Amino acid sequence: GESVGLHLPTLSVQEGDNSIINCAYSNSASDYFIWYKQESGKGPQFIIDIRSNMDKRQGQRVTVLLNKTVKHLSLQIAATQPGDSAVYFCAEKQYNQGGKLIFGQGTELSVKP
Amino acid sequence: GAGVSQSPSNKVTEKGKDVELRCDPISGHTALYWYRQSLGQGLEFLIYFQGNSAPDKSGLPSDRFSAERTGGSVSTLTIQRTQQEDSAVYLCASSSAQGYQPQHFGDGTRLSIL
Repeated sequence: GESVGLHLPTLSVQEGDNSIINCAYSNSASDYFIWYKQESGKGPQFIIDIRSNMDKRQGQRVTVLLNKTVKHLSLQIAATQPGDSAVYFCAEKQYNQGGKLIFGQGTELSVKP
Repeated sequence: GAGVSQSPSNKVTEKGKDVELRCDPISGHTALYWYRQSLGQGLEFLIYFQGNSAPDKSGLPSDRFSAERTGGSVSTLTIQRTQQEDSAVYLCASSSAQGYQPQHFGDGTRLSIL
């Protein structure tokens, strides 16, 4: 079935380094992608989104890259801070398929001081 | 408040009991969604509302699960005759529209079935 998956379940980085979290998606018809951050005991927090008519979008300290050719999505976090430690999920949807988001399994990011 | 509000934050109940979970979306958001997150798992879609209508109920796992939304605002998710496998965090999200708009989540209701 359709799925969104992550290559690495855990990622450990040094404070100040850049982090890259990857995601593969299987539905080539998906046209909207979102990255979420989830801290323990909290709901997913919206980080950044991108539509399929773009291949890059930047936010504050974060960049999302979309490669539709290989169906790959990545989240880059610049100058990673201890407060960035959390589980990160990618999610996909199709505009004409209602509101359903399909989530990946998640990557746990651990930032070492 | 400014965000999605869910209540209760925690619920412990005995197997076989019915439970109701409540979601208050962000004011003005017309679309509302329910998801379930089991321990160590990703988020699983349950149901989606546009206004008071539910065009997509495809994720509801059984007929013990139902949801309604009234006044285009508050939604309740009801689980009848709860089973231990229903134990999970139930998350609600809302968005200003159904299309290319991010869904904003509440902090969920942690449901434990004894």
